[in-house]
Amino acid sequence: NAGVTQTPKFQVLKTGQSMTLQCAQDMNHNSMYWYRQDPGMGLRLIYYSASEGTTDKGEVPNGYNVSRLNKREFSLRLESAAPSQTSVYFCASTTRGGYSNQPQHFGDGTRLSIL
Amino acid sequence: AQSVTQLDSHVSVSEGTPVLLRCNYSSSYSPSLFWYVQHPNKGLQLLLKYTSAATLVKGINGFEAEFKKSETSFHLTKPSAHMSDAAEYFCVVSDQGSGTYKYIFGTGTRLKVLA
Repeated sequence: NAGVTQTPKFQVLKTGQSMTLQCAQDMNHNSMYWYRQDPGMGLRLIYYSASEGTTDKGEVPNGYNVSRLNKREFSLRLESAAPSQTSVYFCASTTRGGYSNQPQHFGDGTRLSIL
Repeated sequence: AQSVTQLDSHVSVSEGTPVLLRCNYSSSYSPSLFWYVQHPNKGLQLLLKYTSAATLVKGINGFEAEFKKSETSFHLTKPSAHMSDAAEYFCVVSDQGSGTYKYIFGTGTRLKVLA
């Protein structure tokens, strides 16, 4: 059972470069999320997609864009990377966030360093 | 508005002694509450969840948590710590029926288990 798959697992970028983090889930979940994790700050929501075809900003959306490509896939794009975006990025999914009591399922994360 | 406070950023226990990780929450609706564990360089794994059924919730690896509405608490306990329990633990709240599709994370408690 794959669950939530994130690629790549590690990436080093130079300031100003762009890249896309990929996320796919095989659990037929409706809602998908992108978080960043920084020391001492827990997980902070960047963007989420309540259902296929919709996306909304979370707590820290600046510098990021997202695409809900289909029900399975939700990508996160950094258009012009900045050192402040050095972090560990997690993708999560759930049956239908906000209206269900189901937990989120997480990928293993992408460790991103920006020099 | 939802919020979660994990009262201790670090907890140290000796192997074989009880574990108590404290979590207080704030919710405007009927909350769902979750505890996750994160081992180094890994994603988040669900330990247990409370979803308005029994107030004492049993999870994996011998962990349990008690929902106390009057105290707005959801503390995580384990009778006897094992070395493999050393990890970071996150308390999470989600408002059922709020329509926000969001899960709010605490800032985490790092558990250290001493031999």
